[in-house]
Amino acid sequence: DSGVTQTPKHLITATGQRVTLRCSPRSGDLSVYWYQQSLDQGLQFLIQYYNGEERAKGNILERFSAQQFPDLHSELNLSSLELGDSALYFCASSVRGGNEKLFFGSGTQLSVL
Amino acid sequence: QQPVQSPQAVILREGEDAVINCSSSKALYSVHWYRQKHGEAPVFLMILLKGGEQKGHEKISASFNEKKQQSSLYLTASQLSYSGTYFCGTPGGGSNFGNEKLTFGTGTRLTIIP
Repeated sequence: DSGVTQTPKHLITATGQRVTLRCSPRSGDLSVYWYQQSLDQGLQFLIQYYNGEERAKGNILERFSAQQFPDLHSELNLSSLELGDSALYFCASSVRGGNEKLFFGSGTQLSVL
Repeated sequence: QQPVQSPQAVILREGEDAVINCSSSKALYSVHWYRQKHGEAPVFLMILLKGGEQKGHEKISASFNEKKQQSSLYLTASQLSYSGTYFCGTPGGGSNFGNEKLTFGTGTRLTIIP
């Protein structure tokens, strides 16, 4: 158990809908990362937050947005969903966002039908 | 910008050795290595923070050649538990930055058979 909690574990929805994925980092970790992993694909970096502020952004679609709240949990919002958005979404956390190891949550499997 | 890993996949018999390579087209300041078992989350293995550094944990070790912008992961006397997909990761910022845009490589699927 990494200490990073993601909910829900599975999510099935239809095209055009909007969903919210939630992540609680390890106790004491200030930085949160979101990654997307499609079938047989690698881990694609989406966005990073540190202590409530956006620190880095990857190839995140405009239909996707995220935020980190004062209690340090983070949410990833996906809207106008398309079939191609079906993927495993991982959240990870680290202590300061420095060059240090990441602890990954177990992921949210999103299926868009 | 995504690091390239080779080989893409490898099958070994238990007890054999393997080398997984990670190369980048841009300057590397450090390299992370993670392992992901099927259906699970990636798990951290090690970070190499400077060129020439080598690290090891039990029978898994790694090296980092900053000038060649490459890192290699060595698995010695492989065990069944080593099966999984191995990813290298490279931070996007400079040496003064942290994990900004930690970009993972294409992955290497390792299968160990008895």
